[in-house]
Amino acid sequence: NTVMTQSPTSMFTSVGDRVTMSCKASQNVGINVGWYQQKTGQSPKRLIYWASNRDTGVPDRFTGSGSGTDFTLTISNMQAEDPAIYYCLQHNSYPWTFGGGTKLELK
Amino acid sequence: EVQLVESGGGLVQPGRSMKLSCAASGFTFNNYDMAWVCQAPKKGLEWVATISYDGSSTYYRDSVKGRFTISRDNAKSTLYLQMDSLRSEDTATYYCARGRYFRYWGQGVMVTVSS
Repeated sequence: NTVMTQSPTSMFTSVGDRVTMSCKASQNVGINVGWYQQKTGQSPKRLIYWASNRDTGVPDRFTGSGSGTDFTLTISNMQAEDPAIYYCLQHNSYPWTFGGGTKLELK
Repeated sequence: EVQLVESGGGLVQPGRSMKLSCAASGFTFNNYDMAWVCQAPKKGLEWVATISYDGSSTYYRDSVKGRFTISRDNAKSTLYLQMDSLRSEDTATYYCARGRYFRYWGQGVMVTVSS
């Protein structure tokens, strides 16, 4: 099974900051990666598909990049509504697997 | 507007069965693969099962193979998850999600397996 390892596990940031989080796959998954945002008490929401494609309605401050085994989600200008847990998902081979999540909080 | 509404959760004893439903609306249900994803309390997301748009193919995580069955009724635009031989470790919120890559999610339904 493909293991997705996210780092950091948690981080504190401020409004206006540039935020970068990582997701590393245990084997090559091509660009078959998505990023999901889950705010407290809510269902997850997909932000990025195929590693770098932003879903309709997602602010352009969210950017996904990477291929193969290394993937990054960047928030260019942290906003007050962005605190959440962010998960990566590989859908290259079954079983689909999520990373453990990066919890993003405001200072 | 895409809507996915899960139902059928609750408290169940270990070893018993439960069937979840997910009513879909706002899109052509039989055009999309559908999936179930779960989240144990205070834990991360785990993919559970996926079914193809026509029901001809199904995929499961190892821990539920032989115990859970994903199915669909395209005439009713409804997705199901039959859960048998439930274990305490199956306790989680179960989400249905549209598409192979989970573009849209339901609000989730809680399943608690406990005596």
